[in-house]
Amino acid sequence: DAGVTQSPTHLIKTRGQQVTLRCSPKSGHDTVSWYQQALGQGPQFIFQYYEEEERQRGNFPDRFSGHQFPNYSSELNVNALLLGDSALYLCASSPMNRVMNGYTFGSGTRLTVV
Amino acid sequence: TQLLEQSPQFLSIQEGENLTVYCNSSSVFSSLQWYRQEPGEGPVLLVTVVTGGEVKKLKRLTFQFGDARKDSSLHITAAQPGDTGLYLCAGAPGAEYGNKLVFGAGTILRVKS
Repeated sequence: DAGVTQSPTHLIKTRGQQVTLRCSPKSGHDTVSWYQQALGQGPQFIFQYYEEEERQRGNFPDRFSGHQFPNYSSELNVNALLLGDSALYLCASSPMNRVMNGYTFGSGTRLTVV
Repeated sequence: TQLLEQSPQFLSIQEGENLTVYCNSSSVFSSLQWYRQEPGEGPVLLVTVVTGGEVKKLKRLTFQFGDARKDSSLHITAAQPGDTGLYLCAGAPGAEYGNKLVFGAGTILRVKS
């Protein structure tokens, strides 16, 4: 049974560009959360999607947006990239009715902005 | 805003030593999880604790949830080099705050052989 799949694994972008990251949740999971993790730090919550709607949002600017598709997969879009957006972006999935019991994380997408 | 503070930030010990990592908050959490993360990988769930005072054991790892559900600890007995990694605590604030998890900054553990 495949876990959470993220693509691409690594990405290099230039300041001002736009990027789209993709996530396929674990089979049976309908809730997708996105986190940003700086090197040596804990993950910071960006937003959570359920039933194709953004349900919760962390303290991130509107440059960060997302989408969830009917098959529960999700995309994270970042516009007007800044150097400070360089980080590991993690996708986590869970069943909505058991989200309090922990997430299954993907391996992440390492974004470098130059 | 619910915050989780982890201590210590970094721990370097010899194989066979014992250690404890702490996770503290002024907020109450409905549940708390511990994750371990290796370089280049996503966090992997180790345990979830939901009841105040609960203690769970996973081989050489012992997890405790504080009575008031505001803090937790992870104790490792006889650490091994394979225990090396970033240990993260994460709390679920409760349904009234949504279903997100709030993470601590993590504890980097290095076990030397």
